[in-house]
Amino acid sequence: QSALTQPASVSGSPGQSITISCTGTSNDIGDYDYVSWYQQHPGKTPQLIIYDVKSRPSGVSNRFSGSKSGNTASLTISGLQAEDEADYYCTSFTNTKTLIFGGGTKLTVL
Amino acid sequence: EVQLVQSGAEVKKPGESLTISCKGSGYSFPTYWISWVRQMPGKGLEWMGNIDPSNSYTNYSPSFQGHVTISADKSISAVYLHLSSLKAADSAIYYCARHRRWLQNPLDYWGQGTPVTVPS
Repeated sequence: QSALTQPASVSGSPGQSITISCTGTSNDIGDYDYVSWYQQHPGKTPQLIIYDVKSRPSGVSNRFSGSKSGNTASLTISGLQAEDEADYYCTSFTNTKTLIFGGGTKLTVL
Repeated sequence: EVQLVQSGAEVKKPGESLTISCKGSGYSFPTYWISWVRQMPGKGLEWMGNIDPSNSYTNYSPSFQGHVTISADKSISAVYLHLSSLKAADSAIYYCARHRRWLQNPLDYWGQGTPVTVPS
């Protein structure tokens, strides 16, 4: 079971918007709307920022948004801030009743 | 306040076994499942498996099936991850995380992580 595919790195300037893609298959992202995104700052614990493709937990900034098309999910961060610099991971429920993570994307705020 | 508190860092020798604990508080422990997630040094997150603490039903990733054992003691709101015959490749940070019943639900609270070092 291969990991979901994410770009290794993305970057953007403060105030800009960036999008991180997460590509799976018809056995996971394509078949279920159970995609979540996690933010992990260096040396810290992962934090849930998006679930069920596009829902935000209470307390998460509305600058974070999620979407899905076919086998690819996306996380968009608008109005980039220095504090957004972190690693981002997508996950999806799969048709074998397991959870699969993406390889992670390092976001650099220039 | 919801908390998942894990046991402390471990240094083990190759071939030894290890059990990491994860204790929940601030919520109804039996009504949330617990997953374990591995993060090898400088690498990404990997889902290992999960457990329903109410009945100890477990589900494992094929990548970890047979290599780890997850158990629970709901009387003390604890879940355990057991690793046997440790190798250097088991060196990682291990996180527990809770989710509402069924794995479709997100991992909404995480433990602080337990670093495990197995020198080669």
